[in-house]
Amino acid sequence: ETGVTQSPTHLIKTRGQQVTLRCSSQSGHNTVSWYQQALGQGPQFIFQYYREEENGRGNFPPRFSGLQFPNYSSELNVNALELDDSALYLCASSTGSADTGELFFGEGSRLTVL
Amino acid sequence: LAKTTQPISMDSYEGQEVNITCSHNNIATNDYITWYQQFPSQGPRFIIQGYKTKVTNEVASLFIPADRKSSTLSLPRVSLSDTAVYYCLVGGRDDKIIFGKGTRLHILP
Repeated sequence: ETGVTQSPTHLIKTRGQQVTLRCSSQSGHNTVSWYQQALGQGPQFIFQYYREEENGRGNFPPRFSGLQFPNYSSELNVNALELDDSALYLCASSTGSADTGELFFGEGSRLTVL
Repeated sequence: LAKTTQPISMDSYEGQEVNITCSHNNIATNDYITWYQQFPSQGPRFIIQGYKTKVTNEVASLFIPADRKSSTLSLPRVSLSDTAVYYCLVGGRDDKIIFGKGTRLHILP
């Protein structure tokens, strides 16, 4: 069974730039959720995609956007980067069923904004 | 989604049993209680989930009293590798999973 993979693992950007982070969901999973985790904090929910449609969003501005593709992989795009966007970005996939609601997380993409 | 309160940090020693309690006074009827574990620079990992009474798996036990306003994650005979942050979450299985600050567990030799 293929786990959740994220790329890139680390990247450095400057303020005002744009970034795209990628996530391949676990085999058989049709739901992808994105989280932002600042140092020393718990993961903050950004949004979720279910079968290519946004299915819930946290308290993040519109410059955080996403996509889900027919193979259920996903992208997180962040425009006009700010220093506070520096964080670990986590992608999690799930089956979208109400079995246990368990999320399977990737190792994350660590973004540093200078 | 019900708010949860758990200790910010705990220390214990190798071989001890560790109990982390989480308060969730406003838990709703259809809410489940779920615990995740997170190591530094890794994504959280599902540990256990329960609705009432007691649930046990190969890693941990989850104790939930009848009023469901709190829950206790029990880790038997901890080792140094159990040093991590533990998150208690409450919500329906269809709800978006929202994390709090978690409990930093530090296991000492």
